[in-house]
Amino acid sequence: AQSVTQLDSQVPVFEEAPVELRCNYSSSVSVYLFWYVQYPNQGLQLLLKYLSGSTLVESINGFEAEFNKSQTSFHLRKPSVHISDTAEYFCAVRGPLTGTASKLTFGTGTRLQVTL
Amino acid sequence: GAGVSQSPRYKVAKRGQDVALRCDPISGHVSLFWYQQALGQGPEFLTYFQNEAQLDKSGLPSDRFFAERPEGSVSTLKIQRTQQEDSAVYLCASSGEPGGEGIQYFGAGTRLSVL
Repeated sequence: AQSVTQLDSQVPVFEEAPVELRCNYSSSVSVYLFWYVQYPNQGLQLLLKYLSGSTLVESINGFEAEFNKSQTSFHLRKPSVHISDTAEYFCAVRGPLTGTASKLTFGTGTRLQVTL
Repeated sequence: GAGVSQSPRYKVAKRGQDVALRCDPISGHVSLFWYQQALGQGPEFLTYFQNEAQLDKSGLPSDRFFAERPEGSVSTLKIQRTQQEDSAVYLCASSGEPGGEGIQYFGAGTRLSVL
């Protein structure tokens, strides 16, 4: 079984400040990790993913996340946020692509609220 | 199509009514998933298809929930005798060919409100 914990339900931050959204997971098998972003009244959009290789992964809009196997974490960071980053962020874990192991298990989400 | 399409976007049902939610996946994607997202929560897995075969329905909350994908493309999630606790956003996702990265692409969802 797999589980994801996002400890912070809401993170308020001023524009241009740095931010970190925390994600911890547990799994009995090898995992693949994802961050999805959800804007109001929209579906989930993939922000970034860790499948293999470098443990530091980056998105095109300045977010990055680092897979830390020893700490079972996949925290999301951005050095300088923008108002448009206001959204709900979900961390998710998936097992290997074998039959039923391909479903995603999500955390409860973190609401990032960026203000001026 | 260009993305995963879900219809209707919003559905209001009276308690006890049957509803059907449609998902049109990305063309060529063999895998299709349904998730339920309650207010203020993360999505939770309901069921999974590979082509027309339903390989996992362990997340369906009761026998009132039924999903099908008869031709391996469009899928329908049916909820019979809706209850207030069924109110949620129902998300559909599809992913590509076996052996690929298995990235799931989501539709905008159907918001179901049961009165």
